[in-house]
Amino acid sequence: DTAVSQTPKYLVTQMGNDKSIKCEQNLGHDTMYWYKQDSKKFLKIMFSYNNKELIINETVPNRFSPKSPDKAHLNLHINSLELGDSAVYFCASSRRHLLGEKLFFGSGTQLSVL
Amino acid sequence: AQTVTQSQPEMSVQEAETVTLSCTYDTSESNYYLFWYKQPPSRQMILVIRQEAYKQQNATENRFSVNFQKAAKSFSLKISDSQLGDTAMYFCAFTLPNFGNEKLTFGTGTRLTIIP
Repeated sequence: DTAVSQTPKYLVTQMGNDKSIKCEQNLGHDTMYWYKQDSKKFLKIMFSYNNKELIINETVPNRFSPKSPDKAHLNLHINSLELGDSAVYFCASSRRHLLGEKLFFGSGTQLSVL
Repeated sequence: AQTVTQSQPEMSVQEAETVTLSCTYDTSESNYYLFWYKQPPSRQMILVIRQEAYKQQNATENRFSVNFQKAAKSFSLKISDSQLGDTAMYFCAFTLPNFGNEKLTFGTGTRLTIIP
């Protein structure tokens, strides 16, 4: 039973297209995140949600829109894809009521924009 | 803003040896949390060890231990009796405590290879 699952694992698309990545967690966590890992392996937070409410929006272009239909799901929609969007996108979750909690990560979605 | 620096892009060590990965960070806060995450070739990010800044005692998890030097803002990871399965990217990370609003700041990673 995968705790944090993302789909798809790989996504290859043309510049200008719109695509979505889905994420689901079955851990009962309140907080979910999107992190981006670039080609140099650098990881940076993009968004976080608490119980469907956007908490962190880390100066991400408006083309990226997270959507959380319920606290177990956090999807990432990307409009007008650009070459620079190629990266691995990780979904993660954590418990809210404790400080400094560890993150549970999904296995990542490798996005390649051609 | 907080920063995390890992000065060793790559390291390799013979199986069964001990290896230490370095991490320094910069913050003006006194209370925070530090982590080491492992990313094997499978790409899955896995927590290795966690340290609370207000605890002086260094965290340990089986073969993994840290040397936390708060004054020096240093947080190194020691892997004892290294195993082939330890081959991975290792990321040091930092967060300030903030209920529901914590965000990890990661270092650039150290690629560790365990040689048979």
